[in-house]
Amino acid sequence: EVQLVESGGGLVQPGGSLRLSCAASKFSVSNYEMTWVRQAPGKGLEWVSYISSSGNTKYYSDSVKGRFTISSDYAKNSVFLQMNSLRVEDTAVYYCGRFGGSTIDWSLAIDYWGQGTLVTVSS
Amino acid sequence: EVVLTQSPGTLSLSPGERATLSCRASQSVDSKYLTWYQQKPGQAPRLLIYGASSRATGIPDRFSGSESGTDFTLTISRLEPEDFAVYYCQQYGSPPTWTFGQGTKVEIK
Repeated sequence: EVQLVESGGGLVQPGGSLRLSCAASKFSVSNYEMTWVRQAPGKGLEWVSYISSSGNTKYYSDSVKGRFTISSDYAKNSVFLQMNSLRVEDTAVYYCGRFGGSTIDWSLAIDYWGQGTLVTVSS
Repeated sequence: EVVLTQSPGTLSLSPGERATLSCRASQSVDSKYLTWYQQKPGQAPRLLIYGASSRATGIPDRFSGSESGTDFTLTISRLEPEDFAVYYCQQYGSPPTWTFGQGTKVEIK
């Protein structure tokens, strides 16, 4: 079965950096668009970033633009989120997700999610 | 940028009752890109409905989605105990961005 496993979360001071990883299994990230979505404690879902299957197209939410960078590594079949200049308001569970592509009529819906990794930004 | 407003914030119902959840968009939305997710405490969201009305694989037919202009509705025909959760609508729009509603919590009355 398709699986996404995030790692790399933890406690970091404001202004610090973290790199999140999302390891995919039972499909190739080279064939699917991928995304990161976060959820602050007790809050709703917030989209963070998108990467195309080719890795050539990337989008970011305004709240992270210029600070976060999404990337993919086909050899590792993984997607990454490099987070720099972290702020207290970046504290959240970060989920990696796969857009379902043709299997769901190119609806740009996330058909598989990881279990999430918690990032806490605090001094 | 499109804003999605979900109502009510909380819906208190009993098992077996019908649940009607609303998601209103601040401007026109391509229904192809309107999605509903379910999230239970401590779990990742789960895809329920894509394209406003298509059920995802494995989703029971008591879940249905519909649209009327900028209003989108998720209906659960008869609530089962496992349906008590938070539900989010989400849309993709231009400039490329994905927007979520604030969520509706369906709780046991």
